[in-house]
Amino acid sequence: SQKIEQNSEALNIQEGKTATLTCNYTNYSPAYLQWYRQDPGRGPVFLLLIRENEKEKRKERLKVTFDTTLKQSLFHITASQPADSATYLCGSGSNYQLIWGAGTKLIIKP
Amino acid sequence: SAVISQKPSRDICQRGTSLTIQCQVDSQVTMMFWYRQQPGQSLTLIATANQGSEATYESGFVIDKFPISRPNLTFSTLTVSNMSPEDSSIYLCSVEGLGLAGADTQYFGPGTRLTVL
Repeated sequence: SQKIEQNSEALNIQEGKTATLTCNYTNYSPAYLQWYRQDPGRGPVFLLLIRENEKEKRKERLKVTFDTTLKQSLFHITASQPADSATYLCGSGSNYQLIWGAGTKLIIKP
Repeated sequence: SAVISQKPSRDICQRGTSLTIQCQVDSQVTMMFWYRQQPGQSLTLIATANQGSEATYESGFVIDKFPISRPNLTFSTLTVSNMSPEDSSIYLCSVEGLGLAGADTQYFGPGTRLTVL
């Protein structure tokens, strides 16, 4: 079945460094992947979407890549800050039938 | 952008009872979605609710257990019926993210944290 996998272990990064989160997909070829941020007690907030024909997309300190050969999307936060600490979700699908990863908890340490 | 509110924000309920969760949007939207998110797990779509038609349920979810209403373009309710401890979860509503990047992006509400004893 179609599946999206993200690192279940929390990622601890020192402030100022680049955080890189991974999203792997199996058994399908998504036309796009999208990334959301979720803070405790809140709903997910959309960050970036990358389509299969786009290698890279940027928004301020955020960068997303899409490698159809590796079946993987990487999400980068450069110059990370403690305020970037949150859970980051990867999702994909069509006609709003989205498949979601379980999310990776990112902790930025001062 | 769309601002979504949910009520209640959290509740503790007894087994066998029912809870109705409300979702209010500050603008008219065609598509509304209800999700369940269990601790440490991914979002699972329960159903899609379009105004003027019956909700469409995903595999594993049935109308008798999760009845949904969509009386207008800004409001929806999800009822969790005959609850058991396995229904303890966060329930989220979302709407189509027109104005974002498109392609099925969504705005989410803050969620309702349900605990069933």
